[in-house]
Amino acid sequence: DQQVKQNSPSLSVQEGRISILNCDYTNSMFDYFLWYKKYPAEGPTFLISISSIKDKNEDGRFTVFLNKSAKHLSLHIVPSQPGDSAVYFCAASLDRGSTLGRLYFGRGTQLTVWP
Amino acid sequence: KAGVTQTPRYLIKTRGQQVTLSCSPISGHRSVSWYQQTPGQGLQFLFEYFSETQRNKGNFPGRFSGRQFSNSRSEMNVSTLELGDSALYLCASSPTPFGANVLTFGAGSRLTVL
Repeated sequence: DQQVKQNSPSLSVQEGRISILNCDYTNSMFDYFLWYKKYPAEGPTFLISISSIKDKNEDGRFTVFLNKSAKHLSLHIVPSQPGDSAVYFCAASLDRGSTLGRLYFGRGTQLTVWP
Repeated sequence: KAGVTQTPRYLIKTRGQQVTLSCSPISGHRSVSWYQQTPGQGLQFLFEYFSETQRNKGNFPGRFSGRQFSNSRSEMNVSTLELGDSALYLCASSPTPFGANVLTFGAGSRLTVL
């Protein structure tokens, strides 16, 4: 049962434009959300996170938006760069206070940024 | 400082064999988690260890097991390998299982079962 869903397996964006990656979840008990980026032959690396008490978190070119009522979050990358080409995973935690090690991941979205 | 180290990086086994994968967490990190990544299922949680104790276990059969040593290094074992066990096995560490820490992943061990 996939509790975190990334319905777009791939996204292609021109360099300099905005990339928007979407993620939906079904479990209303999730209280912490993260985005990870993965290059081939490497492990996922942490990108940005957001607590369920917030609706937006920004870090440089990356912004994550959380809509709890819709159980939806999105990652915006502005401007997109070719080096951003990677697989992006959305992840959620049930109780960051005690079970951080157990994250629920989506299946990932392959982002390709072309010049 | 050194990241999460996983060995071996690649291995090939045949059905019915067993395999042991090793993970050395970042120095000072005491929590280790394991994930299986397959093309169809994404990253699936296997188990989490902290202070040599398994704190959480995912929905995998008993053929999958793990342990953590006093120096926080961890191993996972898969017995009676099946073709469907072919996957990238990822280990992640954090200082503790609690609070504002995030997981730092290793590069993974790619297992192919023939």
